[in-house]
Amino acid sequence: GQNIDQPTEMTATEGAIVQINCTYQTSGFNGLFWYQQHAGEAPTFLSYNVLDGLEEKGRFSSFLSRSKGYSYLLLKELQMKDSASYLCAVRFVYGQNFVFGPGTRLSVLP
Amino acid sequence: ETGVTQTPRHLVMGMTNKKSLKCEQHLGHNAMYWYKQSAKKPLELMFVYSLEERVENNSVPSRFSPECPNSSHLFLHLHTLQPEDSALYLCASSKEGGGDTQYFGPGTRLTVL
Repeated sequence: GQNIDQPTEMTATEGAIVQINCTYQTSGFNGLFWYQQHAGEAPTFLSYNVLDGLEEKGRFSSFLSRSKGYSYLLLKELQMKDSASYLCAVRFVYGQNFVFGPGTRLSVLP
Repeated sequence: ETGVTQTPRHLVMGMTNKKSLKCEQHLGHNAMYWYKQSAKKPLELMFVYSLEERVENNSVPSRFSPECPNSSHLFLHLHTLQPEDSALYLCASSKEGGGDTQYFGPGTRLTVL
């Protein structure tokens, strides 16, 4: 199977910037997705990267390096409502779907 | 308003019961998925349907039986479950199969006594 690693928990302060990393096995890579999941709710799609570089979407940005098997999600100007789990999911060329990482639980403190 | 709905939102059942989870998508998508989310574990893909045909079954025990009568509806029939099956069951849909962006329903929180 494919291993996808993320830190289990992170804590940051309101207004700050936080970077959540995701590493994966590069063989057969075909795209990487980030999802946000608030406690007790469904995951919601945040971003998609398939080429190297940075994708920016408002306060959220996602970066990909295919050669390193590495991505990060950058959250700027943190707000209390950003407290949630952030899931990294990788699509591979074989198989039908994604493999999800364990998720990173982010706590934003006042 | 959500494009993917699931019922019931919460379910408690005994090990000898039979129950069904329902998912409906209003997005015009062609693929639907069942995932299991247990505490402190990654989302686990259970079943994939594309154009109403099952295309993947990730070694799920036979006590879980999916049904996809059309591209908008997906069921998960449950029979003689075990306490370790207690989890959040999430349904998702995507425009196409094969790893297109997936949109999730709110999930059914299942407790097996």
